[in-house]
Amino acid sequence: GIQVEQSPPDLILQEGANSTLRCNFSDSVNNLQWFHQNPWGQLINLFYIPSGTKQNGRLSATTVATERYSLLYISSSQTTDSGVYFCAAINTGGFKTIFGAGTRLFVKA
Amino acid sequence: DAGVTQSPTHLIKTRGQQVTLRCSPKSGHDTVSWYQQALGQGPQFIFQYYEEEERQRGNFPDRFSGHQFPNYSSELNVNALLLGDSALYLCASSFEGLVVGYTFGSGTRLTVV
Repeated sequence: GIQVEQSPPDLILQEGANSTLRCNFSDSVNNLQWFHQNPWGQLINLFYIPSGTKQNGRLSATTVATERYSLLYISSSQTTDSGVYFCAAINTGGFKTIFGAGTRLFVKA
Repeated sequence: DAGVTQSPTHLIKTRGQQVTLRCSPKSGHDTVSWYQQALGQGPQFIFQYYEEEERQRGNFPDRFSGHQFPNYSSELNVNALLLGDSALYLCASSFEGLVVGYTFGSGTRLTVV
């Protein structure tokens, strides 16, 4: 089955700093998503990005499917960006979503 | 427009008991997926229901079972509870299983004592 690995596992930023989170995935996938889980446990879908680049405000994501990785960029970080960021993938032809272990981000004021 | 609704929000059960968790999908969605998230870990796929059938299952024992009703709502049942079943149980809904528009509920926190 597919495996999803995220790095770094933990990240502490000063407010205003930029950061890059990485997700490596094995085998072929036809879907790649990024989620943010807030301290209350709610998972919010940030990007559906099987390939290419997308931007939404201070967040952007790039997936290079041929090289099996995706990057999430956070610019001008804010304290409300704190939480856990997950990438998740579904194997081609299947319906099982595999989540990475997450990157725990803490943004200091 | 209501999002995904899960109930109850918190639950405490004793080892060996049975529990039923409920999920109402977002309006317009017809597919429900269930996940278990242990503390400090990523969500683990339990199974997905579409057209009232279990479409795919993760690596969970038969103690975990589910159901989808004609109105697309779903239940997750866990029998013979173990301490290790303590976790946040998340439900996600989508349309025809498509990943675009995948929406999660706030989860049910289950504690087994």
